Amino acid sequence: SQQGEEDPQALSIQEGENATMNCSYKTSINNLQWYRQNSGRGLVHLILIRSNEREKHSGRLRVTLDTSKKSSSLLITASRAADTASYFCATVSDEGGSQGNLIFGKGTKLSVKP
Amino acid sequence: NAGVTQTPKFQVLKTGQSMTLQCAQDMNHNSMYWYRQDPGMGLRLIYYSASEGTTDKGEVPNGYNVSRLNKREFSLRLESAAPSQTSVYFCASSEIRVWGQPQHFGDGTRLSIL
Repeated sequence: SQQGEEDPQALSIQEGENATMNCSYKTSINNLQWYRQNSGRGLVHLILIRSNEREKHSGRLRVTLDTSKKSSSLLITASRAADTASYFCATVSDEGGSQGNLIFGKGTKLSVKP
Repeated sequence: NAGVTQTPKFQVLKTGQSMTLQCAQDMNHNSMYWYRQDPGMGLRLIYYSASEGTTDKGEVPNGYNVSRLNKREFSLRLESAAPSQTSVYFCASSEIRVWGQPQHFGDGTRLSIL
């Protein structure tokens, strides 16, 4: 069962522009994480934001979390062609036997054109 | 610094054949995971091992078995492969399985079952 759902499914921008991806989830969370997946590779952890945090920065990445709306956004500023990848949000399940496991969304496919 | 290593990278099987996917991590992590990734479905957890000597079912365990051989290695076995198991399989590890510790992923095994 998917907890997080990213929006949009695909995004195409020009180099230098900002890219914003959104993630919505259904139940209460302990933390929310964002991962990047380059074509043909595994996922790479980008950033983790805890449920008591509202905003977090890491280099050109900015993540916000709104627990009242059960949503998060990932902003990549001044995008580069190398940012072309799929981006996934992941939340931590607090339900029954799957408690503590990561639940991944279906991802946003970002294409940055030179 | 290899991280998480998966073998093989590609495999084609016939329906009914068996196969073991290998995974090894060199980060001294306690917890390891097996996911499958299908188009439009995100990642789904098959099995996990919270610590050496323990294994537990994830979201989609049917048709699979796992072995936590030692702290470094976690294998996934398909006893009688079916076309529905055509997928990309990812192994991941984390320091501990506590409230969604960030996970480190291998580059996947692309498995086709004819």
